[in-house]
Amino acid sequence: AQTVTQSQPEMSVQEAETVTLSCTYDTSESNYYLFWYKQPPSRQMILVIRQEAYKQQNATENRFSVNFQKAAKSFSLKISDSQLGDTAMYFCAFMKRAAGNMLTFGGGTRLMVKP
Amino acid sequence: ETGVTQTPRHLVMGMTNKKSLKCEQHLGHNAMYWYKQSAKKPLELMFVYSLEERVENNSVPSRFSPECPNSSHLFLHLHTLQPEDSALYLCASSQDSGGATDTQYFGPGTRLTVL
Repeated sequence: AQTVTQSQPEMSVQEAETVTLSCTYDTSESNYYLFWYKQPPSRQMILVIRQEAYKQQNATENRFSVNFQKAAKSFSLKISDSQLGDTAMYFCAFMKRAAGNMLTFGGGTRLMVKP
Repeated sequence: ETGVTQTPRHLVMGMTNKKSLKCEQHLGHNAMYWYKQSAKKPLELMFVYSLEERVENNSVPSRFSPECPNSSHLFLHLHTLQPEDSALYLCASSQDSGGATDTQYFGPGTRLTVL
């Protein structure tokens, strides 16, 4: 079974600064995907970024980028130029390649962006 | 309507009631999921349907009964629930194509309170 651990229950950052959220996972699979989802106070879960395990290049989406360390089973999310709208719960998730594509989520990190 | 919708958004029910949660996806996907999000616990996968067939039942109590009449609709029938079943119930969908784009898209959730 896979496990996903987010060791930072809460974090805060000043507007326009950079913050990094940590995620580690444990799996014996070799073919999998990793995701970061954002859940703002409105509760709609939104995909932030995804990473295919077979790709060595770190994924980026505008201000969001990941540091994927496959050997260390680490998948951190960096948010640059933080904005007030980035305030949300952030969930790291693991998906193995199989029928059903089931996601395993971490416990989440609550990020507060301060003006 | 676009994306994944869920109704009702809020539901209060007694332990002897029978109610149903509805999820509809407008993305042309062929896989749908139910998740439970409780306070202080990671999101828990409850059920997975792929091509209207149940792929995974993650040891969920029988008081939760899913139904997937077609690839666009997913129901969760509830009966004789317990107060500990109070949670946010999230629906998601994805294109279960076995390819590299099987990202899950979430609905806004139904906040369930069991009295």
